[in-house]
Amino acid sequence: GAGVSQSPRYKVAKRGQDVALRCDPISGHVSLFWYQQALGQGPEFLTYFQNEAQLDKSGLPSDRFFAERPEGSVSTLKIQRTQQEDSAVYLCASSLSGGGGYTFGSGTRLTVV
Amino acid sequence: AQSVSQHNHHVILSEAASLELGCNYSYGGTVNLFWYVQYPGQHLQLLLKYFSGDPLVKGIKGFEAEFIKSKFSFNLRKPSVQWSDTAEYFCALYSGGYQKVTFGTGTKLQVIP
Repeated sequence: GAGVSQSPRYKVAKRGQDVALRCDPISGHVSLFWYQQALGQGPEFLTYFQNEAQLDKSGLPSDRFFAERPEGSVSTLKIQRTQQEDSAVYLCASSLSGGGGYTFGSGTRLTVV
Repeated sequence: AQSVSQHNHHVILSEAASLELGCNYSYGGTVNLFWYVQYPGQHLQLLLKYFSGDPLVKGIKGFEAEFIKSKFSFNLRKPSVQWSDTAEYFCALYSGGYQKVTFGTGTKLQVIP
């Protein structure tokens, strides 16, 4: 596609509910990244894929967070048993190669009530 | 570890004023540096980037940034701001050692007509 597509755009979850956030990167982009952006903060790294391989998941805040990219294209970030502190904008980015010049999606704003 | 500091959290300028946003980073090795911009209601966009070569880099919309290695700085400048420059600006760092981009906390720029 022309850009990085994320869905849903907004998600309201009750505390304890599981959620799944989808990212459709630019076609052919090898690298895919998930970031979490809390209100008033910069994006914080969560995890990184190169094709289907998850090379770095050091930023995932707890074992309730899980990400996958089974076929090396679309990725899903799953949060189990959501907590209020999970409320944030979840950003997905992709790039053709390394180096840091990412293309970002519009994000999913998650609100846990 | 790598980190990015943006000291100005909120800047208010009148149209036609000059802009300089500070960015300092911490990392001992070779880095790629970026400025991203987020206009109200829009996704993060790459404004400019420095990989190597001329330390003065020019980006879109008349922005430029200067990499000063000795000061670990990458300040963003624009000679004359416009109301349409109202946005949040993020400085970011990529290193091969960590293979991910680390963002600063952002600077909100408000330009008054």
